[in-house]
Amino acid sequence: AQSVTQLGSHVSVSEGALVLLRCNYSSSVPPYLFWYVQYPNQGLQLLLKYTSAATLVKGINGFEAEFKKSETSFHLTKPSAHMSDAAEYFCAVRGRNTPLVFGKGTRLSVIA
Amino acid sequence: GAVVSQHPSRVICKSGTSVKIECRSLDFQATTMFWYRQFPKQSLMLMATSNEGSKATYEQGVEKDKFLINHASLTLSTLTVTSAHPEDSSFYICSARGGLAGGNTGELFFGEGSRLTVL
Repeated sequence: AQSVTQLGSHVSVSEGALVLLRCNYSSSVPPYLFWYVQYPNQGLQLLLKYTSAATLVKGINGFEAEFKKSETSFHLTKPSAHMSDAAEYFCAVRGRNTPLVFGKGTRLSVIA
Repeated sequence: GAVVSQHPSRVICKSGTSVKIECRSLDFQATTMFWYRQFPKQSLMLMATSNEGSKATYEQGVEKDKFLINHASLTLSTLTVTSAHPEDSSFYICSARGGLAGGNTGELFFGEGSRLTVL
C-alpha cells in the first residue's frame, strides 16, 4: 500500500524567498511520485512527476523536486516565490497498477 | 498535456433531486476515469474507478447506489448523485488516464471540478 505525508498544512513565505514543501511517502513497490497544484475552485494541475528516471525533477513554473529513496522523501522547492504561487499543493504517490493516493495538501501563502 | 473537461462547474439543487456531472476527455481516449471528492480544505478522496464498458469499482464506504457512475464511451464518464442531501455538498473532481496520454507512469489528467451545493 502507498501513503503520503505532507508536513505542514500551511506554509507562509515572503515574496522572493525559498519555497520548501515537504512530502514523505510510504510504498511497498517502486513509487511514481507527483506534485499537483490546485487554485481555488479549480481542478488539479500537474507540476512535476518522478517516474524512476532522474532523481531531480524539474517542473513547470520554476518548481523542482528531488527523490531521495534513503529518506523516502520528495520535497518540492522553488528558489524564489511569486505571489502567483499562492495555492494548495498536493503530493501524490502510486505504484504501477495502484490508485493515486494524495497527501492532505499544503496551503502556500506568499507575503508581499 | 491532455485536456479533461467537467460540466457543470457549479450546481445548486434541492434536497431529494438527482444531479449528473459529466467528465470528458477532449483530446485522448480515456480507458480509465476516476472520481474524487474533496471536502473544504481537505485532500482528494477517491470515490470510484471506472473502466470503459464495465462497472465502476467503488472505494470502501462509498455508496454505489447513491453515486452512479457510467463510463459508456472512451471520452465520457458521468457521475450521478441520486436523491442528493446537504451532506453530499462537495467538490467533485474527475480524472482520466488512457492510451498514450499519461503512458504507464500513472499520470492523471484532472477536470476543473464541479461544486455541488444541496439546499
